[in-house]
Amino acid sequence: QQQVKQSPQSLIVQKGGISIINCAYENTAFDYFPWYQQFPGKGPALLIAIRPDVSEKKEGRFTISFNKSAKQFSLHIMDSQPGDSATYFCAATAGTASKLTFGTGTRLQVTL
Amino acid sequence: GAVVSQHPSRVICKSGTSVKIECRSLDFQATTMFWYRQFPKKSLMLMATSNEGSKATYEQGVEKDKFLINHASLTLSTLTVTSAHPEDSSFYICSAPTGGGVYGYTFGSGTRLTVV
Repeated sequence: QQQVKQSPQSLIVQKGGISIINCAYENTAFDYFPWYQQFPGKGPALLIAIRPDVSEKKEGRFTISFNKSAKQFSLHIMDSQPGDSATYFCAATAGTASKLTFGTGTRLQVTL
Repeated sequence: GAVVSQHPSRVICKSGTSVKIECRSLDFQATTMFWYRQFPKKSLMLMATSNEGSKATYEQGVEKDKFLINHASLTLSTLTVTSAHPEDSSFYICSAPTGGGVYGYTFGSGTRLTVV
């Protein structure tokens, strides 16, 4: 019940296209859903996060869509750029100081 | 924003020696620190949770005698890999909730450990 399932495992998108990564969870106690971007040899960095009281959150080119009834959330990267090429992890937690449960990661490659 | 400084970023050690990794919260008090291990092209695997002034809680399957965690102050948590072996080679990352009743986690920049 602690799992967060993430798909796809890898994704290739052309420059200017939309990258979409999906996650699904089972634990209904989860109440914070962040997305992290990780470059090789670096720690994860927060991209955007959402609480379950809203269905969508947008920050610049990044949008989270959240479907509470389906227990799914997704990351949309609009106008994808080569600099967005990285590994993306979704995560979830229940409580402000509780451990994060991570998805398996998606390696995004944005081609010219 | 909240920053966790992790050192060293890279370390190479000989098999059988011990290595200490430090994570310092620079502008906030980290009452909790999470320690992760990450294999190439894999997700972060939680190893243990440390709380200031108390014993760390280890995840199932993690050897507490091999991975010693100390959280003696509100700004410093350390992970010591004891008697390191090549199979301990990995990327280790720390993370702390930023606290204040607000959701948020800050991550260290990671330590690449290579045991030869």
